[in-house]
Amino acid sequence: SQTIHQWPATLVQPVGSPLSLECTVEGTSNPNLYWYRQAAGRGLQLLFYSVGIGQISSEVPQNLSASRPQDRQFILSSKKLLLSDSGFYLCAWSVIGTGHEKLFFGSGTQLSVL
Amino acid sequence: AQTVTQSQPEMSVQEAETVTLSCTYDTSESDYYLFWYKQPPSRQMILVIRQEAYKQQNATENRFSVNFQKAAKSFSLKISDSQLGDAAMYFCAYRSARTGGTSYGKLTFGQGTILTVHP
Repeated sequence: SQTIHQWPATLVQPVGSPLSLECTVEGTSNPNLYWYRQAAGRGLQLLFYSVGIGQISSEVPQNLSASRPQDRQFILSSKKLLLSDSGFYLCAWSVIGTGHEKLFFGSGTQLSVL
Repeated sequence: AQTVTQSQPEMSVQEAETVTLSCTYDTSESDYYLFWYKQPPSRQMILVIRQEAYKQQNATENRFSVNFQKAAKSFSLKISDSQLGDAAMYFCAYRSARTGGTSYGKLTFGQGTILTVHP
């Protein structure tokens, strides 16, 4: 069965520090991968998505970046965090065209930038 | 661009009663998918139900059913026999059925509705 791992679960970082959140998927190949952010009490905002290794599409201009060094690995990064980067970050995967159009989510990372 | 609107920030229901959550969307496409996701206090996103736009029949999953009105671009979720465990934030989401292109596979979410279930 397919599983998605996302870590860390919580993170407290000072303003200006770097960020690296990692997400890995097991049990499937060539998934579409996504990073979403959820502000407190709000909906999900798509940040990045990837349809293959090295292929990254950005939805919102910001000081975050994403990389996909391996087929089932998706990394969210920042060189210098801002206060506005605080939020709940969710990684997700899906496989399109096989009937598995639904999105499967990781357990999320609560990021607090102080 | 597609947009999804949930006009009810909060809803409440008595245990064992029925509640309907509203969702409208805007799109120029004719083929797409609609979803309802549940986010309990654990914050894990859980798929509740899915609807293909080309299907006229409304999707059902046990106590959960939808009222899909394609012409009106409306997609409401009905929860019957509400249970305490149904308390959560519910998100409506849209995905294009197009393959390829810059929006390939992405979901657009509404702002969510917080559902409270009273015992």
